[in-house]
Amino acid sequence: EAGVAQSPRYKIIEKRQSVAFWCNPISGHATLYWYQQILGQGPKLLIQFQNNGVVDDSQLPKDRFSAERLKGVDSTLKIQPAKLEDSAVYLCASSSTTGSGSSYNEQFFGPGTRLTVL
Amino acid sequence: AQTVTQSQPEMSVQEAETVTLSCTYDTSESDYYLFWYKQPPSRQMILVIRQEAYKQQNATENRFSVNFQKAAKSFSLKISDSQLGDAAMYFCAYAYYNNNDMRFGAGTRLTVKP
Repeated sequence: EAGVAQSPRYKIIEKRQSVAFWCNPISGHATLYWYQQILGQGPKLLIQFQNNGVVDDSQLPKDRFSAERLKGVDSTLKIQPAKLEDSAVYLCASSSTTGSGSSYNEQFFGPGTRLTVL
Repeated sequence: AQTVTQSQPEMSVQEAETVTLSCTYDTSESDYYLFWYKQPPSRQMILVIRQEAYKQQNATENRFSVNFQKAAKSFSLKISDSQLGDAAMYFCAYAYYNNNDMRFGAGTRLTVKP
């Protein structure tokens, strides 16, 4: 079974430029997550999709960040314009669905995209 | 709000020895999951072990086991017979039962000495 795919693996941009990251989840996984991991910290959830609908985007800086999952499969995360503090690893994860009751569905992570903003 | 605290930024262990990584969390919920993830230099997060809060029995996965103290809100990871491949960042994480908004600690960097 293929894992979560992300591209690019690395990106270097100047501040105020735009950047986009792509994620292809595991086939059949309805739930997709984007996390931001700043150096020295644990990942922080930015946005969660269930199929093509947003479940939680409470921690997404909506003035500059946007994300979409139009066909309920792959997803794109965009930053426009980028700031120095956006330098981080952006992780995508997917699960078969959100858990309910005592059910749990493991999140599988991709390799991440390391963004450097100069 | 749920928070996860890992008080050990770095730990070191001799190969074949045992090491324990600490984690505490804060929540007002009674139904939740706790996790330990491993992140090697490749950056891919790998689930090591999971504990359901309603289960009193501590989870084990081969050389990995946890000490879950629900009243104390403590969740430590014990790695037995440490191997060189265990060297990585280890993150403790919490998720409410519906798996939304997984909260991670700041991580512990584990070094394994040959």
